[in-house]
Amino acid sequence: GAVVSQHPSRVICKSGTSVKIECRSLDFQATTMFWYRQFPKQSLMLMATSNEGSKATYEQGVEKDKFLINHASLTLSTLTVTSAHPEDSSFYICSAFLAGGLNEQFFGPGTRLTVL
Amino acid sequence: AQSVTQLGSHVSVSEGALVLLRCNYSSSVPPYLFWYVQYPNQGLQLLLKYTTGATLVKGINGFEAEFKKSETSFHLTKPSAHMSDAAEYFCAARRPSGTYKYIFGTGTRLKVLA
Repeated sequence: GAVVSQHPSRVICKSGTSVKIECRSLDFQATTMFWYRQFPKQSLMLMATSNEGSKATYEQGVEKDKFLINHASLTLSTLTVTSAHPEDSSFYICSAFLAGGLNEQFFGPGTRLTVL
Repeated sequence: AQSVTQLGSHVSVSEGALVLLRCNYSSSVPPYLFWYVQYPNQGLQLLLKYTTGATLVKGINGFEAEFKKSETSFHLTKPSAHMSDAAEYFCAARRPSGTYKYIFGTGTRLKVLA
């Protein structure tokens, strides 16, 4: 149980285009999801906290107009990178928080974004 | 402010040798603590976690960690390294209540030598 999926796993796009990444909790409902960014050989950097039915909370320094987050249902959150540029190339990981007894985040497999 | 420190960005051990990855936390209250493993181009897999109760926690793949409040540590150990253990390891902490956000350490890359 507690599986989180991400789609796509890899995406290559041209500079200036927008890319949407989906994060789904497959077998549980997640009122809270998190989006992380990971640069090569570095740790995870929290970008934002996504709460179902409300606006996402962005970490300091993260451009909310560039990284649009929508948590439309209890099993789906999306991250849209708008007007992508090469510096947005990174590994993006989402997680879903399972409340109750486990009280932990479950991580998706990640999405590798390459902007040409 | 809460923080997590992992000493040693790279650790090399011989196959069959003891694995010790260090994690220290800084927090006004004892946090929940987690160890994750990440293989290349993959997400994070939970190895083990400490919330309350027994301070010696056993996880998957033979790993264990001990919560030591007096030392503010949560070091990860495995008695005998296997080649398949080569990966990146992250220690994370979160407050017992309130925010569900994790604070991650900078990670330790484990290399296992044949």
